[in-house]
Amino acid sequence: AQSVTQLGSHVSVSEGALVLLRCNYSSSVPPYLFWYVQYPNQGLQLLLKYTTGATLVKGINGFEAEFKKSETSFHLTKPSAHMSDAAEYFCAVLFRPKAAGNKLTFGGGTRVLVKP
Amino acid sequence: EPEVTQTPSHQVTQMGQEVILRCVPISNHLYFYWYRQILGQKVEFLVSFYNNEISEKSEIFDDQFSVERPDGSNFTLKIRSTKLEDSAMYFCASSEALYEKLFFGSGTQLSVL
Repeated sequence: AQSVTQLGSHVSVSEGALVLLRCNYSSSVPPYLFWYVQYPNQGLQLLLKYTTGATLVKGINGFEAEFKKSETSFHLTKPSAHMSDAAEYFCAVLFRPKAAGNKLTFGGGTRVLVKP
Repeated sequence: EPEVTQTPSHQVTQMGQEVILRCVPISNHLYFYWYRQILGQKVEFLVSFYNNEISEKSEIFDDQFSVERPDGSNFTLKIRSTKLEDSAMYFCASSEALYEKLFFGSGTQLSVL
C-alpha cells in the first residue's frame, strides 16, 4: 500500500543547529514529493517540491531536500535553524501522477521547536 | 503573494445540520481541492475539481458531501447532514495547473456538537 511516514512528531533544535526532518514513502513508482510548512493560524505553504531532474532541491527560507530513490526518502534539511522556523512541517506525496487530479497524500507532520 | 481565502474560520453546528464551507481560490487558478485534518490525524484529501466537475474524490467524500463553484469565484463544500466525526479543520486549495504548487487557505475549523 502507498503511504507516507514522517519520523518524529516533534523535533526540538537549538537556534543555529541543523534541522533534519525525515520523510519516507512507500511506492514502486517514483512519485512527486513536496514539503509544506504551517505556521500557527495559517494555511499550508509550499517549501519545495521534487518532480523530475536534479535530486537535490532548494526551497524557500534556506531549506533543501534530497530525493533518494534507493531509500524511498525525501528528507528536509536546513543548516542553521532560526527562531522563525518554529512551525509544523508536512511531507506530501503525489502517487502515480495521472492526467486529472492532484491528490496529495500527507505524512503525519513534524512540529519543530527552536530553542534560543 | 496571492491568497486562498476561507470563511468562516470557525463553524459550530449541531449534528444533523447542513453546513457550507466557503473558499475563494486564486483568480487565475483552474484546479480546486478540499482537504481536511481531524485533530491528531493526517491531512486527508477529500476532492479535486476541474472544469466544473469533480476530477477525483476519496472514499471519505460520500453522498453527504458536495462541491460547487457557483459563480466563477467561490468554491464551496457542503455537508448535508453533519456527523460528530465530521469535526475537523477543512482546507481549501487551488493550483494553476497540474503538479504545480497548491496554495492552501488557512482553514475552517468545523465543530459538530
